[in-house]
Amino acid sequence: DTAVSQTPKYLVTQMGNDKSIKCEQNLGHDTMYWYKQDSKKFLKIMFSYNNKELIINETVPNRFSPKSPDKAHLNLHINSLELGDSAVYFCASSRGRGADTQYFGPGTRLTVL
Amino acid sequence: QQPVQSPQAVILREGEDAVINCSSSKALYSVHWYRQKHGEAPVFLMILLKGGEQKGHDKISASFNEKKQQSSLYLTASQLSYSGTYFCGTEWAGTASKLTFGTGTRLQVTL
Repeated sequence: DTAVSQTPKYLVTQMGNDKSIKCEQNLGHDTMYWYKQDSKKFLKIMFSYNNKELIINETVPNRFSPKSPDKAHLNLHINSLELGDSAVYFCASSRGRGADTQYFGPGTRLTVL
Repeated sequence: QQPVQSPQAVILREGEDAVINCSSSKALYSVHWYRQKHGEAPVFLMILLKGGEQKGHDKISASFNEKKQQSSLYLTASQLSYSGTYFCGTEWAGTASKLTFGTGTRLQVTL
């Protein structure tokens, strides 16, 4: 059974479109994250939720909106996609906040044309 | 502000040792080490907490020097499976629950 899953794995879309990425974890963890990994492989945190509460909100364009319907799910909606949004987006989860192991999903490769 | 890792890249022959360093400009609360293989997700290796010094399993170990605000990852008798990009993730004092990942070190182990 996959611990942290994401859909879709690949997403190719045109500039200006709106798209969503879904994430689910079956580990019973309280905290979930979204990371962006760019073409230079830099891994940067975007958002984090703990028990459905937003606890980390980095300097990210407000075209990006996370939503956590419950502890096991964290979705990422992106409006008006731009070329610079092309990247791999990883979802992760951890048992708690702080110094806890983070388990990453397989990633979603987003390509904006 | 991103932790700086060195070296940026290293090529080893199987059986050789390597050290990867992670330096922070801020006081560290914990350091996490991850390995990412090409096209895959980062996979957790170990956490070092403030007050702890060294951890390890199998032939991979790490140290945490609070005074110098740095951590080092030691890979001994490297295997082909060690190839990948290694990232340190730093948790800074006062910003618990947020990991800031380092610049990455690409390691390739050859026969």
